[in-house]
Amino acid sequence: NAGVTQTPKFQVLKTGQSMTLQCAQDMNHNSMYWYRQDPGMGLRLIYYSASEGTTDKGEVPNGYNVSRLNKREFSLRLESAAPSQTSVYFCASSGSLSGNTIYFGEGSWLTVV
Amino acid sequence: AQSVTQLGSHVSVSEGALVLLRCNYSSSVPPYLFWYVQYPNQGLQLLLKYTSAATLVKGINGFEAEFKKSETSFHLTKPSAHMSDAAEYFCAVSEASGTYKYIFGTGTRLKVLA
Repeated sequence: NAGVTQTPKFQVLKTGQSMTLQCAQDMNHNSMYWYRQDPGMGLRLIYYSASEGTTDKGEVPNGYNVSRLNKREFSLRLESAAPSQTSVYFCASSGSLSGNTIYFGEGSWLTVV
Repeated sequence: AQSVTQLGSHVSVSEGALVLLRCNYSSSVPPYLFWYVQYPNQGLQLLLKYTSAATLVKGINGFEAEFKKSETSFHLTKPSAHMSDAAEYFCAVSEASGTYKYIFGTGTRLKVLA
């Protein structure tokens, strides 16, 4: 019963390096999301994909790119990491089959030094 | 535009006391409303959700929330706090249909005192 799986769980990057966060869901959900969580700011939406083949910017998209590889997978890429991108990243998914409830992965802790 | 306001970023209660976490929302359409709980170093887990059925919603771990349209509120309560309830709680709103965009509050960290 995996739900939403994201990797890696922890990563340390140097400023300017690139990396991709991977996410997969096994609930046949149409919609997938990437959020970042920072102290005192709650969850902020970076990008979302309402359905396979579409992606849209959220509240804080600058410095990120996404790819909806197929219905199951939605990746988040940092092309040139900056210290301001130090955060906890959550992938999530939702769909009508699960009553439009959004389900979250366990999180990825990213530190940019 | 939708928005969620959680009053009180930190709430402390004694073990056995009433837990009340406040959430107010704004939405131009009838909303779906959610409460999530996050334990340290974990993802968010669904506590309960309102989807326009009963206004009093019961969730896991003894929590419940009441949807009050006139007050645009969806406060979370639990009659008797337990040490294991210490966590961060997030209120969220989404449109009942459409793109399923979810807006989260900034969270309330609950501390339970022995």
